[in-house]
This record gives sequence, C-alpha cells and structure tokens, in this order.
Amino acid sequence: DTGVSQDPRHKITKRGQNVTFRCDPISEHNRLYWYRQTLGQGPEFLTYFQNEAQLEKSRLLSDRFSAERPKGSFSTLEIQRTEQGDSAMYLCASPERGEKLFFGSGTQLSVL
Amino acid sequence: GESVGLHLPTLSVQEGDNSIINCAYSNSASDYFIWYKQESGKGPQFIIDIRSNMDKRQGQRVTVLLNKTVKHLSLQIAATQPGDSAVYFCAGYLSGGSYIPTFGRGTSLIVHP
Repeated sequence: DTGVSQDPRHKITKRGQNVTFRCDPISEHNRLYWYRQTLGQGPEFLTYFQNEAQLEKSRLLSDRFSAERPKGSFSTLEIQRTEQGDSAMYLCASPERGEKLFFGSGTQLSVL
Repeated sequence: GESVGLHLPTLSVQEGDNSIINCAYSNSASDYFIWYKQESGKGPQFIIDIRSNMDKRQGQRVTVLLNKTVKHLSLQIAATQPGDSAVYFCAGYLSGGSYIPTFGRGTSLIVHP
C-alpha cells in the first residue's frame, strides 16, 4: 500500500456522460499528480498541484477535463461528455522525500 | 522536453536467470531517473532511483546503471523470480525543470518457471 487512495477502482460509463474520480494522496504531501495510461503505454502526464494551486497542465487535458484540489488535500478529476477515446487508467500520485512518486492503484475508465 | 524509451517491449527469461532491461533518454539535462514496476491492474511501484552524479546504484536484487555519455540506463534484476513478472518503466526528470517525470513505454518482463 503506497498510501495513495483512488476511488472508484473501475468506472463504466456511456459516451456523453460525465465522470468524476477522486484521489486521496499521502497526507501532508503538497504535490499531487494525475496521469493517464492506455494499454501498452507508459503513464502520460495530465496535471499537477502544489497544495491547492494547479501549476501545470498537459496539452492532453482538453477543455472537457477539469481537476481540482480544494484545501490542498484530496483531488478530483472530472471528465465531461466522455468519449470512447477517454477509456484509460487514470492514475494519481504524490511524492515522498523529494521527487519519488508513489502511485495509487488507479481508476480504470471504460466508455461504451 | 524529455523523452524516454525502452529498447524492447518484451523480455522473456527463465527463473533464476539475471534480467537486464534497458532504457534510453533524449535530454542530456535529465538528472534524475526512477525505475517502476507495474503489475496488472495496479499502479506503478517504485523500485529504485539514481541521480546523474552517480553511475551505479544497488538495491535488493536490483542494480541500476547510468551511462550519461550515451544517455542510457539499465535495470538489472538478479536471480529473477516469477514474482518479478510485470511491466517495467523508466522515468526521467529534467534538471531545473518542473517536477514532472516523463515515462517510457515499458518493457514487459515474463519469467518462466
């Protein structure tokens, strides 16, 4: 157990629906990352937070995607009007002792 | 930016053999690297890291070698066990940049008993 919790573990939705994922990072760690991973690929960076501030966003993060981290604790990633191409594993990570990222088990999204 | 990539998508070995997984990176300004192991249905798990001021680092049954001249690093697993079967990723960080690691595509290690 890395201490990073993600919920839900699996999500099946129909195209066009909105979905929201939650991440609870290692407590007291001020940085939190979201990555996306498709089958056979390495994790691709989406966005990261330092406390409640969203400091960087990837070009992968279209305007249908939004992430928040109220109060600098847990974070949510919302995808609006889901498309089949959004099907992927969404990973959350937070660092311990510097840059070393610890990942949660991810949320597997399937868009039908 | 930085890009990292692994040389082989799949590596098959016999139990007890040593495994070597290779990774190349593009940006000579990368100064920190991490190897991750990912089992099916799980998130990547930290294995070992190395900074650019080192060329070798050892852990328990694992060794990472860094060759900055050719921008290459490798992960060596001694006495490979079936439990080592997983996908392995290298990730690199750029010095002076944001704290955002870039991941390669991964090598699937298959250990035959």
